[in-house]
Amino acid sequence: ELKVEQNPLFLSMQEGKNYTIYCNYSTTSDRLYWYRQDPGKSLESLFVLLSNGAVKQEGRLMASLDTKARLSTLHITAAVHDLSATYFCAVLTSGTYKYIFGTGTRLKVLA
Amino acid sequence: NAGVTQTPKFRILKIGQSMTLQCTQDMNHNYMYWYRQDPGMGLKLIYYSVGAGITDKGEVPNGYNVSRSTTEDFPLRLELAAPSQTSVYFCASSYLGTGSNQPQHFGDGTRLSIL
Repeated sequence: ELKVEQNPLFLSMQEGKNYTIYCNYSTTSDRLYWYRQDPGKSLESLFVLLSNGAVKQEGRLMASLDTKARLSTLHITAAVHDLSATYFCAVLTSGTYKYIFGTGTRLKVLA
Repeated sequence: NAGVTQTPKFRILKIGQSMTLQCTQDMNHNYMYWYRQDPGMGLKLIYYSVGAGITDKGEVPNGYNVSRSTTEDFPLRLELAAPSQTSVYFCASSYLGTGSNQPQHFGDGTRLSIL
């Protein structure tokens, strides 16, 4: 059974600080996704990572993928309050086209 | 471009009642999905479809049924509502061609309470 684990589950950080969210998955996968969810809202796509070594950046967020280690990271640089949200990674299971979501990381950036 | 549209947005049901959650997408996506999200938790896959006429179970299918008669529509049916089905339900769609770099597109969700 494919499992997707994120850590930390909760993260409270000061504005201006850097931090990394980790996403581990238990079996081979074709693709990995990062989403953001604001309270009471739907999910918004951040990044799609297709291959080993893939790195994508948007503003203060950078995502990377290491398929050999089955690990993806979401790095936050110089956090600002607007980044407060819950972040999910999701893995597309090979051959079945099912997405399995991680438990989510609830990020709170303090002014 | 509307994307993924879910109706209703909110609903309260009594135990034992039935209802259908509607989901429509206008992006001609081949794959469609239903998830539930319990408070403070991640998304769990209920059912998914790889095309019209083809559906399959996800992680938590018990108590639900789906159909996919067209590319656009993927309704989710609750036959005998139970309190454990109180949740937020999200419909999503995606195009999964070879090497596709497109993410899933999500609807706004249906907040369902069973009392």
